[in-house]
Amino acid sequence: SQQGEEDPQALSIQEGENATMNCSYKTSINNLQWYRQNSGRGLVHLILIRSNEREKHSGRLRVTLDTSKKSSSLLITASRAADTASYFCATGPYNQGGKLIFGQGTELSVKP
Amino acid sequence: GAGVSQSPRYKVTKRGQDVALRCDPISGHVSLYWYRQALGQGPEFLTYFNYEAQQDKSGLPNDRFSAERPEGSISTLTIQRTEQRDSAMYRCASSFGIGTFNTEAFFGQGTRLTVV
Repeated sequence: SQQGEEDPQALSIQEGENATMNCSYKTSINNLQWYRQNSGRGLVHLILIRSNEREKHSGRLRVTLDTSKKSSSLLITASRAADTASYFCATGPYNQGGKLIFGQGTELSVKP
Repeated sequence: GAGVSQSPRYKVTKRGQDVALRCDPISGHVSLYWYRQALGQGPEFLTYFNYEAQQDKSGLPNDRFSAERPEGSISTLTIQRTEQRDSAMYRCASSFGIGTFNTEAFFGQGTRLTVV
């Protein structure tokens, strides 16, 4: 069963605005990862945050992790039309080293 | 190759036939994973290998599904006696480290399986 749940399911914004997506999960984790999937393309890794980290940055991406609330957020600043894609959070459950459990995804549309 | 390669990209098969899906991971990557993704859903874990050893097959739906990685490189996911509900995108991924503790997984383009 999927343990990650993204919120919102769909998000539509204008170019230049910020986009925030949230992810909740149920079990203890080693890490949490965010992936992007463009229409018809493969999954691309964006960022990994370890369970002992609270915040991480990569370019225009900012990820936060709150293990007490079992939640994470992905912020994309100054969005571009090319950011249009589905975004998935994936958790690496504690003591299940090979498994990534993906959420249902947030579909982001950035309008020029 | 530069990335994870899967073949075929598309496979249409008749119900009841067996299919074999191939994954060629990034050279030197220790771990290899198989996922299945339905339209509009996130990928669902099937199984994973460290080198040639299958570490976790808890996600395989039933005994019609099997996977192997005999030499610790290329892997094959086999579905026997296919059913229409098996239709999905099958994705393979590999990672340099052991499992996904603190390492990213690189995904292939997937094999779109359609059972008619």
